[in-house]
Amino acid sequence: ELKVEQNPLFLSMQEGKNYTIYCNYSTTSDRLYWYRQDPGKSLESLFVLLSNGAVKQEGRLMASLDTKARLSTLHITAAVHDLSATYFCAVDIRGGSEKLVFGKGTKLTVNP
Amino acid sequence: DGGITQSPKYLFRKEGQNVTLSCEQNLNHDAMYWYRQDPGQGLRLIYYSQIVNDFQKGDIAEGYSVSREKKESFPLTVTSAQKNPTAFYLCASSMLGVGTEAFFGQGTRLTVV
Repeated sequence: ELKVEQNPLFLSMQEGKNYTIYCNYSTTSDRLYWYRQDPGKSLESLFVLLSNGAVKQEGRLMASLDTKARLSTLHITAAVHDLSATYFCAVDIRGGSEKLVFGKGTKLTVNP
Repeated sequence: DGGITQSPKYLFRKEGQNVTLSCEQNLNHDAMYWYRQDPGQGLRLIYYSQIVNDFQKGDIAEGYSVSREKKESFPLTVTSAQKNPTAFYLCASSMLGVGTEAFFGQGTRLTVV
């Protein structure tokens, strides 16, 4: 059974600081997704990572994937209040089942 | 506009009732999914479907049922057998194949009264 673990689960940081959220998964996969969720809202797709060494950046967020270590990171640079949200990683199970397994999410609060 | 539409946004269920949550997509996606989200929790897969008239149980299918009679529609019924149905339900769809991200609807918040 695939397990996806995110840490930390809660992150409070000051504006202007940098931090990294980690996503570990327990079985082979080279498809990993990052989503953002604002309170009471749906999930918004942030990044799609499809191969070992993939790196994608959008604004102050950068995501990377190391399939050998079964690890993805979401790096936040110079955080701003608007980044406050819950961030989920999701791993695609291979072998035809074609379904996503989500981590529990990291609730990020950026304080002024 | 292409997208996924869930309805209703809020739903109240009495004890012992079955209720049906609607999910429609006009993205021409093959696969559709239902997830349940509890406060402070990640998403747990209830059911998914990759093709019309076929669907598979996810991790928490007990007390739920689905149908996939049309490609664009994947309704979820929460039956009276689901003992703790209060949650936020999210429907998603995607194409099949490598690198096909899932797109989510706005969700239905179900409350038992």
